[in-house]
Amino acid sequence: GENVEQHPSTLSVQEGDSAVIKCTYSDSASNYFPWYKQELGKRPQLIIDIRSNVGEKKDQRIAVTLNKTAKHFSLHITETQPEDSAVYFCAAVNQGGKLIFGQGTELSVKP
Amino acid sequence: GAVVSQHPSWVICKSGTSVKIECRSLDFQATTMFWYRQFPKQSLMLMATSNEGSKATYEQGVEKDKFLINHASLTLSTLTVTSAHPEDSSFYICSANGLAGTYNEQFFGPGTRLTVL
Repeated sequence: GENVEQHPSTLSVQEGDSAVIKCTYSDSASNYFPWYKQELGKRPQLIIDIRSNVGEKKDQRIAVTLNKTAKHFSLHITETQPEDSAVYFCAAVNQGGKLIFGQGTELSVKP
Repeated sequence: GAVVSQHPSWVICKSGTSVKIECRSLDFQATTMFWYRQFPKQSLMLMATSNEGSKATYEQGVEKDKFLINHASLTLSTLTVTSAHPEDSSFYICSANGLAGTYNEQFFGPGTRLTVL
């Protein structure tokens, strides 16, 4: 089955700096890669996603890149703000529709 | 649109009792619903996939007789934790997608915090 590895587990940056979170997946048939932001005690919130036929996608300060050959995908947050502090999860969906999450990255943005 | 609700939002029960959690898609029909469990400071782990009108498919290591899932309609799936024990204390989250056979964004419920004393 699919396995998603996420790094780093914790990330601390200064406000205004960039943050990068990286994930790898094992199932080459996976075709959809969403990223979620989860605040304590709340549901995961979709912040950006990318499909396997696209290499890069950007939405304001957030961008995601996908390297299908290497089975890597990354989240880039620029100009970080304290409200970006949360746990971020990458995920991969295979053709069976199952959403498999990475281990999560706790992002702390220091003012 | 695409709102998923869960009830209750939190529950405290005694060891040995059963607890039912409801997951509803409020404004769309969900052919498939998913149940996840999340322990503190851990990721969401898929427990089972629930299809309307058929038996749920459980992930490896999840006891189907302990976590009973029923998906009786296109808008409601229930998870019953039978004979709950303290180690079942967790955050249970459901999600739903609308189209069978293709992947669409999964819409998450707000989660249910279960505490077993």
